[in-house]
Amino acid sequence: DSGVTQTPKHLITATGQRVTLRCSPRSGDLSVYWYQQSLDQGLQFLIQYYNGEERAKGNILERFSAQQFPDLHSELNLSSLELGDSALYFCASSVDPAGVVLDTQYFGPGTRLTVL
Amino acid sequence: DAKTTQPTSMDCAEGRAANLPCNHSTISGNEYVYWYRQIHSQGPQYIIHGLKNNETNEMASLIITEDRKSSTLILPHATLRDTAVYYCIVTGKLIFGQGTTLQVKP
Repeated sequence: DSGVTQTPKHLITATGQRVTLRCSPRSGDLSVYWYQQSLDQGLQFLIQYYNGEERAKGNILERFSAQQFPDLHSELNLSSLELGDSALYFCASSVDPAGVVLDTQYFGPGTRLTVL
Repeated sequence: DAKTTQPTSMDCAEGRAANLPCNHSTISGNEYVYWYRQIHSQGPQYIIHGLKNNETNEMASLIITEDRKSSTLILPHATLRDTAVYYCIVTGKLIFGQGTTLQVKP
């Protein structure tokens, strides 16, 4: 158990809909990362937040957005969903002390999104 | 970008050492090498990381070449539970790539 929690575990929805995925980082971790993993694909980095602020952006679509709240939990919002958005979505967290470019990441169990 | 190159797949006999190579020829001086693994569709798990010195922990050993252009992850006594996809990444570049699928066989 990494200490990172993600809800829900599974999500089934229809094209055109909007969903919100939630992540609670490990206690004390300030950074949250979101990744997408499509079937048989590697992990694609989407976005990173550090202490409430966006720090790094990867291949995140404009239809997707994220935020990190004062209690450090994070939400990933996916809108106008398409069939191709079906994937595993992982959240990771790290302590990320000042000056460290990338700290050890601890991953949650993921949310499996199925778009029908 | 300091990307990494890994073999797509490898086999290893149970109880033997598994040596997984990674090429990171464009790594910068202050960038660390990290290894993670992903068992089936679970969340990736941190294994080990290093800068220039060899490192060992309870899970594995990491050997980094002197020029830092490549590294090898060593699982000293592979078990069936070590069957997974192993990712080698360089800090600062959140690029996981396809990793190496390690199949440990009885």
